[in-house]
Amino acid sequence: DGGITQSPKYLFRKEGQNVTLSCEQNLNHDAMYWYRQDPGQGLRLIYYSQIVNDFQKGDIAEGYSVSREKKESFPLTVTSAQKNPTAFYLCASSPDEATNEKLFFGSGTQLSVL
Amino acid sequence: GNSVTQMEGPVTLSEEAFLTINCTYTATGYPSLFWYVQYPGEGLQLLLKATKADDKGSNKGFEATYRKETTSFHLEKGSVQVSDSAVYFCALRTGQAGTALIFGKGTTLSVSS
Repeated sequence: DGGITQSPKYLFRKEGQNVTLSCEQNLNHDAMYWYRQDPGQGLRLIYYSQIVNDFQKGDIAEGYSVSREKKESFPLTVTSAQKNPTAFYLCASSPDEATNEKLFFGSGTQLSVL
Repeated sequence: GNSVTQMEGPVTLSEEAFLTINCTYTATGYPSLFWYVQYPGEGLQLLLKATKADDKGSNKGFEATYRKETTSFHLEKGSVQVSDSAVYFCALRTGQAGTALIFGKGTTLSVSS
């Protein structure tokens, strides 16, 4: 089955700790995205990547980092600089970035602070 | 800039009631418009889309018409079911590099039997 896999489903972070959320897709899509979802605020774009070895900041990139070493993978690291990391994180992909077409979403990772 | 505004929830209905969730947008150019649905603890699924003015997207009894003159894309369903309980997001995409998908804040729908 083609799709996007996010792991883990639930993740807990201690103070001062960096944590990494995994996102893998086997759809052969060039573009990948990370969104953060908070109750009542919809989805906000953290980072996106148009192609391997390239990525751009979205609206709320501070406290986050990403890498895109392989087409299939776009991991998100929530650093200790992100002071309010508790949220639902969604990864998405699309065939290319500059398009009007839909995004395909993973099932999300719920990150909580211990 | 580009933005989406949708009615705030929660929307609470009885089974078989008529549903409308309002959505209006601001965008440069000619965006594509989408409705996504999110069930508890899950990611987003595309519900329907429309890519140009006067297009009607439809799926699973839901419909929305792309109205350029009113910059709207309201979601409707004639008879809701308990299984329709979810969060609904209106979104747009302009195709401009760096814009990805722009979402409204979501509307929670709760349907009781």
